Order: sequence, then C-alpha cells, then structure tokens
Amino acid sequence: AQSVTQLDSQVPVFEEAPVELRCNYSSSVSVYLFWYVQYPNQGLQLLLKYLSGSTLVESINGFEAEFNKSQTSFHLRKPSVHISDTAEYFCAVSRRAAGNKLTFGGGTRVLVKP
Amino acid sequence: DTGVSQDPRHKITKRGQNVTFRCDPISEHNRLYWYRQTLGQGPEFLTYFQNEAQLEKSRLLSDRFSAERPKGSFSTLEIQRTEQGDSAMYLCASSLEFQGENEQFFGPGTRLTVL
Repeated sequence: AQSVTQLDSQVPVFEEAPVELRCNYSSSVSVYLFWYVQYPNQGLQLLLKYLSGSTLVESINGFEAEFNKSQTSFHLRKPSVHISDTAEYFCAVSRRAAGNKLTFGGGTRVLVKP
Repeated sequence: DTGVSQDPRHKITKRGQNVTFRCDPISEHNRLYWYRQTLGQGPEFLTYFQNEAQLEKSRLLSDRFSAERPKGSFSTLEIQRTEQGDSAMYLCASSLEFQGENEQFFGPGTRLTVL
C-alpha cells in the first residue's frame, strides 16, 4: 500500500514571496507523482506530474516540483506567489499496476496575503 | 467535449433515503474513477471502471454503495439507506489509459448532505 503525507495543512504567505509545500510518500515500488490544485469552489486540476525522466518538473504558471527518490519526497515550490495562487494543493501518487488510482495527501491550504 | 460533468452538484437528503449521482466522463476516456472527499481531507478512492467493467472497489465502499457504468460511457453511484457519515463531496474523474500514462480529469463534484 502507498500513502502520502503533506506536512503542512496551512501555509500563509505574502504576495511575491516564495512558497514551498512539502510532500512525502511511502511505497515499496515505483510510483507516479502528482500535484493537484483546487481553487475555491472549483474542481481539482492537475498542476504537474512526474512519471519518469528528469526529476524536476515544471508547470505553466511558475510552479515546480522535484522528485527525490532517496528522501521519497516531491516538494512543490514557487519563487514568487500571486494572490490568484490562493487555493488548496494536493499531492498524490499512483501505480500503474494498481489501476493508476490516486492516493492523495491531506492537502495544504495556501493563503496569499497582499 | 468540455470536460467531466457531474449531476447533481448538490444533494440534500434525509437519513435513510437513497440517492443516485451521475458522472459523464470525457467522451473518449476509457477509465472512470469515483472518489470521496470529506471536509479538510484529501480525496479517497472508492472504485474505478475500465470501459464497462468495474475493476476495483475500495474497502470504503460498503454494501450500501453501488456503482455502474453500463455502456462504458456515463456512470452512476447509488447510496442506499444514507447515513450522516455519508455526507461528503463525491468526485468523478476520467482518463485515457494508454501505455501507462494516466492523467485524470476531475469533475466539479456532487456535494451530499445527509440530515
């Protein structure tokens, strides 16, 4: 079985400041890794994913995440946040052999303050 | 096709009543997943289909829950004899399973409140 731990339930941050959301996972086999974002009153949207290859993956809106196999982590970072980044962020893992069903962490609520 | 749709968006029911939710996936997607999200938690997997076949059910899915995808297109999730603990957001996602790549696209969810 796999599990995901998001170490921070809430992260307040000022606009234009950097932010890091921590995600650790446990699995005895290789997994795919994802970050999803849920804006207020909207559905989950995929932010970025790691399937294989380069351990650093980027999204189109300035977020990046780095897969660290030795530390079983997939932390999400953005060097400068905007008010519009206020949302809940979920880290998730899946395995192809397990039907690619997603196992989510508990989420991190990011509140960007002006 | 603009994405995954779910109906209804909100459902309020009394304890003991039956409810049914519908999910329409992206048209060419062969996989359909159901998840449940309670307040302050991440979504939890319930079940998934490949075409019309239900391939896995979570232990979370008690006997009161049943899901179908009769023609490999839309899916329904029925909860019989609802309990207050069933109150949650029920999420549907679809994907095109191809060579192991699997990006799941989520619908807006159905929020169930059991009084």
